[in-house]
Amino acid sequence: EAEVAQSPRYKITEKSQAVAFWCDPISGHATLYWYRQILGQGPELLVQFQDESVVDDSQLPKDRFSAERLKGVDSTLKIQPAELGDSAMYLCASSLGWRDGTNEQFFGPGTRLTVL
Amino acid sequence: DAKTTQPTSMDCAEGRAANLPCNHSTISGNEYVYWYRQIHSQGPQYIIHGLKNNETNEMASLIITEDRKSSTLILPHATLRDTAVYYCIGESTTSGTYKYIFGTGTRLKVLA
Repeated sequence: EAEVAQSPRYKITEKSQAVAFWCDPISGHATLYWYRQILGQGPELLVQFQDESVVDDSQLPKDRFSAERLKGVDSTLKIQPAELGDSAMYLCASSLGWRDGTNEQFFGPGTRLTVL
Repeated sequence: DAKTTQPTSMDCAEGRAANLPCNHSTISGNEYVYWYRQIHSQGPQYIIHGLKNNETNEMASLIITEDRKSSTLILPHATLRDTAVYYCIGESTTSGTYKYIFGTGTRLKVLA
């Protein structure tokens, strides 16, 4: 069964350093999402791509976070500089986009970030 | 936005039905309700979704009230492996895009 791949699974960094996370969606999925999940809370959408275009980044802290999906396939989320409050799980998801009565999103295993 | 409200936690005896409620009173007429679950340290897993009618699949049943302001996820015969956080998700539509609005979820513990 096709899955969303993410790497690394775990990342420990010091504050003020740069970090990057990678996501490879399910083949053929045009829509890609990055979420942040703080411990004990539900995931919060950071950015949504349709192919290579950003369609929603209203919750992305743009002073330090950036995301790209240059060829409309895999994607990278970057944080520079990292702050203590960025410690969280970063989840990537993909979907075919809303059609036929569903917008089912498929989630990857996530990257657990710890900022020291 | 389709904000959702769920109880923080619930217990269920193994083999019994688990009924997880959700309030989504602000949902719009064309916005779906999705249910996912998340087992510790894994990504959320899709369970079921619905708009107006009740839905059933191999994992669960979804009962949506006629006014669409609330729904209930039913796991008919809970097992220990069903212990997880269950998210009732409202779908928000803005400018032609669709996104999930997660709540804080219900932590279900299935007891032996």
